[in-house]
Amino acid sequence: EIVMTQSPATLSVSPGESATLSCRASQSVRSNLGWYQQKPGQAPRLLIYGASTRATGIPARFSGSGSGTEFTLTISSLQSEDFAVYYCQQYTNWPLTFGGGTKVEIK
Amino acid sequence: EVQLVESGGGLVQPGGSLRLSCTASGFTFSSYEMNWVRQAPGKGLEWVSYISGSDNTIYYADSVKGRFTVSRDNAKNSLYLQMNSLRAEDTALYYCARVDAAVAGGVVFDCWGQGTLVTVSS
Repeated sequence: EIVMTQSPATLSVSPGESATLSCRASQSVRSNLGWYQQKPGQAPRLLIYGASTRATGIPARFSGSGSGTEFTLTISSLQSEDFAVYYCQQYTNWPLTFGGGTKVEIK
Repeated sequence: EVQLVESGGGLVQPGGSLRLSCTASGFTFSSYEMNWVRQAPGKGLEWVSYISGSDNTIYYADSVKGRFTVSRDNAKNSLYLQMNSLRAEDTALYYCARVDAAVAGGVVFDCWGQGTLVTVSS
């Protein structure tokens, strides 16, 4: 099983600033990496797939990068609606696995 | 509007069974691979099971293998999860999730239901 590790667990950011979230895989997942956003009481929403391709309707301030074992989600100029928990997910191998999440909170 | 609606959750004793359902609307259900993903209270996401559009390919997480069975009825636009031998650690919100067909060869989830809560407790 591929273990996905996200850091930091919590990130405190002021509105308008940028946030950089990290996701590391225990073995290469090539570019088979997705990112999701989850707000309290809501289902997750797909942001990024293929490590760097934004899903339909996702604003350009969300960007993903990386390949192999190291990945980054960058949120530039954080808006109030961006404060949430973010998860990465690999889809190279079964079982599909998620990272433990990074909570982006208001500083 | 694309929609997934789960049902069937509830309180069950350890060792008991439940059958979850997910009803799809707004898209051609038979053309999409589907999954179950769960989230324990206050915890992260855990993938549970996958079923292809024609249901000839199925996968399970090791944590549920042998106890849970995924199935679908394309004529009824429905996905199911039969859960047997339930344990306290199966307590979670269970989401059904659609695989994004735009991602060639990939399994990411572009549409989620709101979830149905399963509580396993005596």
